[in-house]
Amino acid sequence: NAGVTQTPKFRVLKTGQSMTLLCAQDMNHEYMYWYRQDPGMGLRLIHYSVGEGTTAKGEVPDGYNVSRLKKQNFLLGLESAAPSQTSVYFCASSLGAANTGELFFGEGSRLTVL
Amino acid sequence: DQQVKQNSPSLSVQEGRISILNCDYTNSMFDYFLWYKKYPAEGPTFLISISSIKDKNEDGRFTVFLNKSAKHLSLHIVPSQPGDSAVYFCAARGFSGTYKYIFGTGTRLKVLA
Repeated sequence: NAGVTQTPKFRVLKTGQSMTLLCAQDMNHEYMYWYRQDPGMGLRLIHYSVGEGTTAKGEVPDGYNVSRLKKQNFLLGLESAAPSQTSVYFCASSLGAANTGELFFGEGSRLTVL
Repeated sequence: DQQVKQNSPSLSVQEGRISILNCDYTNSMFDYFLWYKKYPAEGPTFLISISSIKDKNEDGRFTVFLNKSAKHLSLHIVPSQPGDSAVYFCAARGFSGTYKYIFGTGTRLKVLA
């Protein structure tokens, strides 16, 4: 049972570099989300998708782009990384209207921008 | 504006006693409330949820209470065990065309042996 898988797990970037985080889920979920976790800030929603080919902005979308070309994958891109984007990034997925409303999370990707 | 608030950053409880974690919200349109547990270097894992039409949900040692008039929910863990030591996040699901989950800032629970 893979569930939600994030790659890479760790990455160090220099300011101005670009990178892409990949999230893959094998549960046939429609909804996928990208969150960032910072000390004292909890989990904040960056972008989300309600289905293949659709994306929408969350609470803190600036500096990030996303794509959902396939239902099982949700990519988070940083075009020009900044130190303020140093964080732990979590991808999550859900069925949308499931009874428990449960979100399933990946293990996280720790990004450091120098 | 923070729609979901956890006002206690940390909580320490003796093993065997009750742990009570609290959460307040401001939006009456949330349809589900959830609690997640997070260990260091791991992703959050689902613990228990409650529909907005209920006032209590129980699963083993974990019970969630919802007080809609006060816009308040709480998680009770009885009895608390050292393995329960983790960060607990409260979350609320809202629907405005799509489902979005808003999280609180978390409460770090330490269960003392």
